[in-house]
Amino acid sequence: DAKTTQPNSMESNEEEPVHLPCNHSTISGTDYIHWYRQLPSQGPEYVIHGLTSNVNNRMASLAIAEDRKSSTLILHRATLRDAAVYYCILRGTNYGGSQGNLIFGKGTKLSVKP
Amino acid sequence: DSGVTQTPKHLITATGQRVTLRCSPRSGDLSVYWYQQSLDQGLQFLIQYYNGEERAKGNILERFSAQQFPDLHSELNLSSLELGDSALYFCASSVGPGDKNSPLHFGNGTRLTVT
Repeated sequence: DAKTTQPNSMESNEEEPVHLPCNHSTISGTDYIHWYRQLPSQGPEYVIHGLTSNVNNRMASLAIAEDRKSSTLILHRATLRDAAVYYCILRGTNYGGSQGNLIFGKGTKLSVKP
Repeated sequence: DSGVTQTPKHLITATGQRVTLRCSPRSGDLSVYWYQQSLDQGLQFLIQYYNGEERAKGNILERFSAQQFPDLHSELNLSSLELGDSALYFCASSVGPGDKNSPLHFGNGTRLTVT
């Protein structure tokens, strides 16, 4: 299985940018990089995804390294509501039985201090 | 709001019993996925249905079964319940059969407690 490596936890201050790293050195050329987050007592929430180019949406930005072996999720101004577990997931062919489902690791627990 | 609806929110039952969890996908989504989240195992994929047909199977026990109905809602049946089945059960949906370029949208789960 293509695996991702994320720090177990990170801390941030409110209203400051946050850079959440993810290493995926065994990524294949057709794997998409997906990010989800899970707030306490809620289901996982889609954040962003990309293949090769950097991506922006209303929630975050995704910076993908040129060799695609790592990526960074950027929250431009952290709020208390951004405290969650962030999962970096590779979505490709034949992971976990089909390319359809997501295989979750342990993720990074982000704490935001006021 | 993801648009995925799960009922009930909470369920408390006894060992040996059978329960049914229900999921309505987002409007227009044809795939439904079931996940189990327990404290020690994290989020585990159980099973996926696409347009009424089983599409992929994960770590689903034989005591568990699921189906997707013609109106696309799905039910997860858990039988002969054990204490270890206590967990959060999440449903997710997506538009197609599992296009890696499209996201999954999750409901807020059913918390099952087996006593």
